Amino acid sequence: DTAVSQTPKYLVTQMGNDKSIKCEQNLGHDTMYWYKQDSKKFLKIMFSYNNKELIINETVPNRFSPKSPDKAHLNLHINSLELGDSAVYFCASSQAGGNTEAFFGQGTRLTVV
Amino acid sequence: SQQGEEDPQALSIQEGENATMNCSYKTSINNLQWYRQNSGRGLVHLILIRSNEREKHSGRLRVTLDTSKKSSSLLITASRAADTASYFCATALPGGGSNYKLTFGKGTLLTVNP
Repeated sequence: DTAVSQTPKYLVTQMGNDKSIKCEQNLGHDTMYWYKQDSKKFLKIMFSYNNKELIINETVPNRFSPKSPDKAHLNLHINSLELGDSAVYFCASSQAGGNTEAFFGQGTRLTVV
Repeated sequence: SQQGEEDPQALSIQEGENATMNCSYKTSINNLQWYRQNSGRGLVHLILIRSNEREKHSGRLRVTLDTSKKSSSLLITASRAADTASYFCATALPGGGSNYKLTFGKGTLLTVNP
């Protein structure tokens, strides 16, 4: 069983559309994250949730709205997609509020055309 | 601004050689972690070293931490072609309350030639 799974793996969409990426972890972790990796491989944290509560929001445009229905799920909804949103988005989870190793999903490659 | 910076940005070696990657950071940390990312894949945790530790080993990996210099190094001994990947250091910074956020550097692309 995959520990952190995110869907879809690839997403191609037009500018202005709204899309969602889903993430689930079966590790029993309290903390989940969304990271964005750009074309230069720079990984930037976007959000962190602990037990369904938003802990970190790294000045991400409010077109990005995370939702955590329970502590095993953290979904990312993006409104009015822009070309600059094209990137690979990674979901991750960890225990102990983020003070231990993180487990990453395989990534969602988002291409906005 | 960037918390962790890896050096070099790219490293190419022959199979069997050792590979050393360095990471520098700016603020006090709780722990420092190293991750590997194969092309087109997610990140995989390699090793975690706490701020009160100076050296840690895991198989062919050796990590050192010098908190006075705010730097860490990752040594991969007897490299294999399968070690070809990007390697990232990440620092756990306070994120509010008892929570931490993991902040990554830009990575070192290691190529091991057979």
